[in-house]
Amino acid sequence: GPKVLQIPSHQIIDMGQMVTLNCDPVSNHLYFYWYKQILGQQMEFLVNFYNGKVMEKSKLFKDQFSVERPDGSYFTLKIQPTALEDSAVYFCASSGLGFSYEQYFGPGTRLTVL
Amino acid sequence: GDSVTQTEGQVALSEEDFLTIHCNYSASGYPALFWYVQYPGEGPQFLFRASRDKEKGSSRGFEATYDKGTTSFHLRKASVQESDSAVYYCALVPASSGSWQLIFGSGTQLTVMP
Repeated sequence: GPKVLQIPSHQIIDMGQMVTLNCDPVSNHLYFYWYKQILGQQMEFLVNFYNGKVMEKSKLFKDQFSVERPDGSYFTLKIQPTALEDSAVYFCASSGLGFSYEQYFGPGTRLTVL
Repeated sequence: GDSVTQTEGQVALSEEDFLTIHCNYSASGYPALFWYVQYPGEGPQFLFRASRDKEKGSSRGFEATYDKGTTSFHLRKASVQESDSAVYYCALVPASSGSWQLIFGSGTQLTVMP
């Protein structure tokens, strides 16, 4: 089936540094998402993005977070500066048009903030 | 806010056993309901969805029926295999708010013994 790729698979950084997580979504999809899963906890929505704009975001999407997809390349999540509580697995997803369309998920990036 | 409740955190079965994983939701109107499956080291994979009352979704021998009356979408399979061992997530997308975020349940770890 359609594949979403995420780079890197694992990132370790020091608190206060900047990190960029990269997502290569399914090629004809229009909607892009980031979700966060802390080990042993529920998957939680962060943000969705369409046509170059953030459409909705949760309270977990702090001011230090930003997303973009310049010129149809990677869909990125940037955290600047990072905090200890940002340690989690971040999943990217993409979907076609319509609220009932399935979202396809990447394998996740495990972010460890020391 | 909208939510999904999965009552079983872990289910252990033997091959050829019957599976039921309970999912109840709280949301207004007719949210889209989904089942996703997650294998170790991977992101959630779409299993199937339903969008209307009494609609049945199915895939790979798994099925669930949208029940507005009991606000449920229970996952069932008649005969499980060892390869079905994974984490299963029930999720919804709200119908009325214009939100397209997936709201996940806490997940159910299914272990099938040979």
